[in-house]
Amino acid sequence: NAGVMQNPRHLVRRRGQEARLRCSPMKGHSHVYWYRQLPEEGLKFMVYLQKENIIDESGMPKERFSAEFPKEGPSILRIQQVVRGDSAAYFCASSLRTGGTDTQYFGPGTRLTVL
Amino acid sequence: GENVEQHPSTLSVQEGDSAVIKCTYSDSASNYFPWYKQELGKRPQLIIDIRSNVGEKKDQRIAVTLNKTAKHFSLHITETQPEDSAVYFCAPGGGNYQLIWGAGTKLIIKP
Repeated sequence: NAGVMQNPRHLVRRRGQEARLRCSPMKGHSHVYWYRQLPEEGLKFMVYLQKENIIDESGMPKERFSAEFPKEGPSILRIQQVVRGDSAAYFCASSLRTGGTDTQYFGPGTRLTVL
Repeated sequence: GENVEQHPSTLSVQEGDSAVIKCTYSDSASNYFPWYKQELGKRPQLIIDIRSNVGEKKDQRIAVTLNKTAKHFSLHITETQPEDSAVYFCAPGGGNYQLIWGAGTKLIIKP
């Protein structure tokens, strides 16, 4: 049973470009969470999705950031017009049941560098 | 909303000694209490968790204790080893569908 997959593992973008981060949850998991982590800091919740639904996007900036989890395929975190401050590690996690009471399993992360 | 604090922010112990990290939370509806370990450059991984109907849980050198009345739970690592060096996060959940993450404790094991 493959774990949570994320790609790419490393992504370099120039300011103003778009970044697309992909996350495939563990088999059978329908709950996906995206987190951002700056160096030497903790995890910051961004968004929680179930298939075809955004449940909570309270941690995601209103502008330039969007997320989706389609019926088929991976979850996508999209950052438009990236700026240097978007450089961070982005982790996704998945859980079998609602994440407030269930273990979240993390992917290896995508390290985004904005030049 | 839920307020989560971890103490200490950095902990340095001699190899072989014990380490204790405490997590306090504010949401009385929290009923799930996990601890995650994150090694440098790697993903967070669950090391132990406890639910509110249990006061203590142990797994080899690692244990978690819960005090729901005082709203805190602690991670205990005995006989520490170099590979225990990492950042540890508490992330209580259950009040809603989210885990609320602490800021992390950097554990340093001195040889």
